[in-house]
Amino acid sequence: DGGITQSPKYLFRKEGQNVTLSCEQNLNHDAMYWYRQDPGQGLRLIYYSQIVNDFQKGDIAEGYSVSREKKESFPLTVTSAQKNPTAFYLCASSKRWGQNTGELFFGEGSRLTVL
Amino acid sequence: AQTVTQSQPEMSVQEAETVTLSCTYDTSENNYYLFWYKQPPSRQMILVIRQEAYKQQNATENRFSVNFQKAAKSFSLKISDSQLGDTAMYFCAFMEQGAGSYQLTFGKGTKLSVIP
Repeated sequence: DGGITQSPKYLFRKEGQNVTLSCEQNLNHDAMYWYRQDPGQGLRLIYYSQIVNDFQKGDIAEGYSVSREKKESFPLTVTSAQKNPTAFYLCASSKRWGQNTGELFFGEGSRLTVL
Repeated sequence: AQTVTQSQPEMSVQEAETVTLSCTYDTSENNYYLFWYKQPPSRQMILVIRQEAYKQQNATENRFSVNFQKAAKSFSLKISDSQLGDTAMYFCAFMEQGAGSYQLTFGKGTKLSVIP
């Protein structure tokens, strides 16, 4: 079945450590996204990518980095520069511009806790 | 910048009853999409319904329908014959329609509980 796989589901990190969250999709979608979800805050866009080897900052990119070396993969690194990294992270994908009518397909999320 | 406001942080409804979730938005654009997404307790978010701003007819999907008031910038979701499986967070979202448009702006969500 086609879908989006995020791993790990739960992750604990010590302060000062970088951590990478994995996101893989087999939907053949061109566009991929990372959102951060905090209680009472809704979803906020961290980064998005429209095509391989290209990505743009979203509303809250500071302290995060991404790469898009393959169409299927869009990993997110939470760096030590992120001041409040404890959150729920959602990865999503969609069809490319011109075919994109706004439907995002989401993974099940990764919960990061900084100890 | 577009903003999306959901004024009801939490709501509850009896099973089989009807409930309406509110959403307002602010934009200077004329062409856009509006969405309702559902996030059940299992956390995988899915699209419930989509409305294109140029269409006057309100979108419907089975028990889910919207009341789209473009002039008032209002986009409410009505769930009829509520079921226990409707218990979830519901997010209203906006997307500008145009070249290179990829970003959705989400509201803060409404937590809906369906009571047996």
